[in-house]
Amino acid sequence: KQEVTQIPAALSVPEGENLVLNCSFTDSAIYNLQWFRQDPGKGLTSLLLIQSSQREQTSGRLNASLDKSSGRSTLYIAASQPGDSATYLCAVDNSGYSTLTFGKGTMLLVSP
Amino acid sequence: SAVISQKPSRDICQRGTSLTIQCQVDSQVTMMFWYRQQPGQSLTLIATANQGSEATYESGFVIDKFPISRPNLTFSTLTVSNMSPEDSSIYLCSVMGQGSYEQYFGPGTRLTVT
Repeated sequence: KQEVTQIPAALSVPEGENLVLNCSFTDSAIYNLQWFRQDPGKGLTSLLLIQSSQREQTSGRLNASLDKSSGRSTLYIAASQPGDSATYLCAVDNSGYSTLTFGKGTMLLVSP
Repeated sequence: SAVISQKPSRDICQRGTSLTIQCQVDSQVTMMFWYRQQPGQSLTLIATANQGSEATYESGFVIDKFPISRPNLTFSTLTVSNMSPEDSSIYLCSVMGQGSYEQYFGPGTRLTVT
């Protein structure tokens, strides 16, 4: 059974810092991995999707990497802003049909 | 992308009753998913709903407890039956994007069972 772990569980940083969120998974036979952010009352927003054949994806200040063989992914946020404050979730697809297994998330607080 | 709405956004229900949650998508999609997020926990997939076929339930979830309807390509309902306080959670529906594996989520339904 796939298990997804995210470290740290919570993170508090001052505005402007670069930061890294970590995600690990036990079953490396994945089709893809997605990073989401969750804001209270607003559901989940997809940030980046990395296919199993890819090593990284970038969107603006966000960069996600994937090392499938070691079962790890990182989400790098550059020049953090207070608007980045949210819970960040990592999810993997082992089925190829988008049935996702989620980690518990990293709660990020960026202070002005 | 897809825009997803859910009704109700929140509800407080008594033990033993049932609640039906609606999920509406602004475009036709083949697969819809229902997830549960218990307090302090990660999201857990309840079932996959395809139009025209029975929903596929994940281990630990049964149709009698969580019946699902999928009458067309833009709409689905999840019913939480015979509720207990342990059913207090956020319930979210999601869809897979057209031509991609990216998933889009609704805003969720926050259910409290007393």
